[in-house]
Amino acid sequence: DAKTTQPPSMDCAEGRAANLPCNHSTISGNEYVYWYRQIHSQGPQYIIHGLKNNETNEMASLIITEDRKSSTLILPHATLRDTAVYYCIVRYHSGNTPLVFGKGTRLSVIA
Amino acid sequence: EPEVTQTPSHQVTQMGQEVILRCVPISNHLYFYWYRQILGQKVEFLVSFYNNEISEKSEIFDDQFSVERPDGSNFTLKIRSTKLEDSAMYFCASNQGAGETQYFGPGTRLLVL
Repeated sequence: DAKTTQPPSMDCAEGRAANLPCNHSTISGNEYVYWYRQIHSQGPQYIIHGLKNNETNEMASLIITEDRKSSTLILPHATLRDTAVYYCIVRYHSGNTPLVFGKGTRLSVIA
Repeated sequence: EPEVTQTPSHQVTQMGQEVILRCVPISNHLYFYWYRQILGQKVEFLVSFYNNEISEKSEIFDDQFSVERPDGSNFTLKIRSTKLEDSAMYFCASNQGAGETQYFGPGTRLLVL
């Protein structure tokens, strides 16, 4: 089972920041937090990952709390094309550990 | 930018038939995976593959399933005798080094009639 908890759905106005929360209270010290998204039934798309420091790339920012029990994915200026299911996954960085997907958060960006 | 590719994009088959789903992972990647997603449900892990052997498999990956890397570029999933409940999207994924980010292909939609 997934080790993360996410709200089932969220709405966001186009052009505003979308803040997607994730709880991972049982995360262990060497597990990373990964975010993927899935648009319709396309293959999951990698967004960003981190261990304990905040991370930013061209797609999003990832804020991880100091105790690492929760994180927030931020899409700074959401567009209609960001409408998707967003998955928060914790995973060891070793071998070929599979990803364990939960139900994710369905983000609807509204014009 | 390198991508994982999958063929075919759609496959329709009769129950009991064999199907082979094909994937071309990113060229310098060494770790390969198959996942599936039944309509409306979660993405589920099937199998991981490294150094020409299965590393891990889930309960779903029973004797009807097999994987192979027949040459230096393809990674295939074979379902020997398809069942109605095998209807799903099948995703291939790969990563370069141990524990590194997995990248997914666009998927094959399999429909078993």
